[in-house]
Amino acid sequence: AQSVTQLDSHVSVSEGTPVLLRCNYSSSYSPSLFWYVQHPNKGLQLLLKYTSAATLVKGINGFEAEFKKSETSFHLTKPSAHMSDAAEYFCVVSLSGIYGGSQGNLIFGKGTKLSVKP
Amino acid sequence: GAVVSQHPSWVICKSGTSVKIECRSLDFQATTMFWYRQFPKQSLMLMATSNEGSKATYEQGVEKDKFLINHASLTLSTLTVTSAHPEDSSFYICSALRGNYGYTFGSGTRLTVV
Repeated sequence: AQSVTQLDSHVSVSEGTPVLLRCNYSSSYSPSLFWYVQHPNKGLQLLLKYTSAATLVKGINGFEAEFKKSETSFHLTKPSAHMSDAAEYFCVVSLSGIYGGSQGNLIFGKGTKLSVKP
Repeated sequence: GAVVSQHPSWVICKSGTSVKIECRSLDFQATTMFWYRQFPKQSLMLMATSNEGSKATYEQGVEKDKFLINHASLTLSTLTVTSAHPEDSSFYICSALRGNYGYTFGSGTRLTVV
C-alpha cells in the first residue's frame, strides 16, 4: 500500500534562510511523487514532480526535491526563503503511473505549514 | 497550459438548502475530473471521480445522494451539496487530468452552512 508522511506539521524559518520540508513515502512499486503548494483559500499549484528520470528534481520558484530510494524520502528544499513562500505544502504520491491514470489515485500527505519571518 | 476554473470561490447557505459548485476546464477537454474535500488544517480527501457521460465513482464513506456529481460535457463537472448541514462546511476543490500536463486543480470553494 502507498502512503506518504510529512514529518512536520509546521515549519518556521526566517526570510533568506534555507527551507527544508520533509516527506517520507511508502510504496510497493516505483512511486510517482509530487509537491504541491496551497496559499490560503486557494487551489493547489504543482511545484515539482518526480518522474524517475532524475533523482534531483527542480521545480518552480527555486524549490527542488531529491528522491532517495534508500531512505524512502522526497524532501523539499529551497536555499533562501522568501516571504511569499509562506503557505501550506503537500507531498503527494500517485498510486499508479506518473499522473495516476484515470482514477485520481493521489495520496496526499497531511501538509506542512511554512511560516516565513521577516 | 491547462487551466481549471472553479466557481464560486465562496458561498454561504442556510441549512437544508442545496449548493452547486462548478468546475470547468478552460482550455482543454477533461473526460475525468475529481472532487476533493479539505477540512481545516487537514489534507485533501478524494470524494469522487467524475466521468463525462457516465455516473461518478464515489469513494468509500461519501454519500452519493448528498453529493451529486454531474459531468454533462467535456469541460464541465458540477458538485451539488444537497440539504446542506453545518457539518458540510468545508473547502471543496476540483481537479482535472490532462494528458502529459498531469493534474490541474481549481482554486477551491469555501462552503459555509449556517
